[in-house]
Amino acid sequence: KAGVTQTPRYLIKTRGQQVTLSCSPISGHRSVSWYQQTPGQGLQFLFEYFSETQRNKGNFPGRFSGRQFSNSRSEMNVSTLELGDSALYLCASSRDRGRGETQYFGPGTRLLVL
Amino acid sequence: QKEVEQDPGPLSVPEGAIVSLNCTYSNSAFQYFMWYRQYSRKGPELLMYTYSSGNKEDGRFTAQVDKSSKYISLFIRDSQPSDSATYLCAMSAGGSNYKLTFGKGTLLTVNP
Repeated sequence: KAGVTQTPRYLIKTRGQQVTLSCSPISGHRSVSWYQQTPGQGLQFLFEYFSETQRNKGNFPGRFSGRQFSNSRSEMNVSTLELGDSALYLCASSRDRGRGETQYFGPGTRLLVL
Repeated sequence: QKEVEQDPGPLSVPEGAIVSLNCTYSNSAFQYFMWYRQYSRKGPELLMYTYSSGNKEDGRFTAQVDKSSKYISLFIRDSQPSDSATYLCAMSAGGSNYKLTFGKGTLLTVNP
């Protein structure tokens, strides 16, 4: 079974631009979560989508948004990019969102903001 | 105080050593405990998953959870150079609060 895939793998943008990242979950998985990983803050939860609805949101500004499609694929968007948005953005999928469901991560999209 | 504390290391051991990695946490609602391994430039890979207190063993890996002390551990026996990676502990309260809260990770190097 194919794992979680993320595109693109690497991205360079300049301040003020916007960016869209894509995530395809493991087949049959319906929950998709996004995380930001930086050397200073580690892995931080951005948001979670299930059945095309945002179910949970972390402490990030409104410039970070996402959506989920009917086939469970998800996108996240960052508008008005800042230097501090440079990070590895990780997507994780799980079969469901009940108790005990484990999350499987993709390889990430490495974003560099200049 | 951060919800999850993990010593960042780095930790350097000789091949064959027993490695002990630990995390402490403050949120008593956490019920699900995980260890992920992350190689450089890769996404985290799930290693161990434990519900509530107790031990779980899988090959050379043993995970322990002590909820009374809010302390979790991962032991690696007969460590190999291929175990060199960053190890991340993660926790979740489950239910409607489904997000994972991570430690910052411990960088482990196993020297041949």
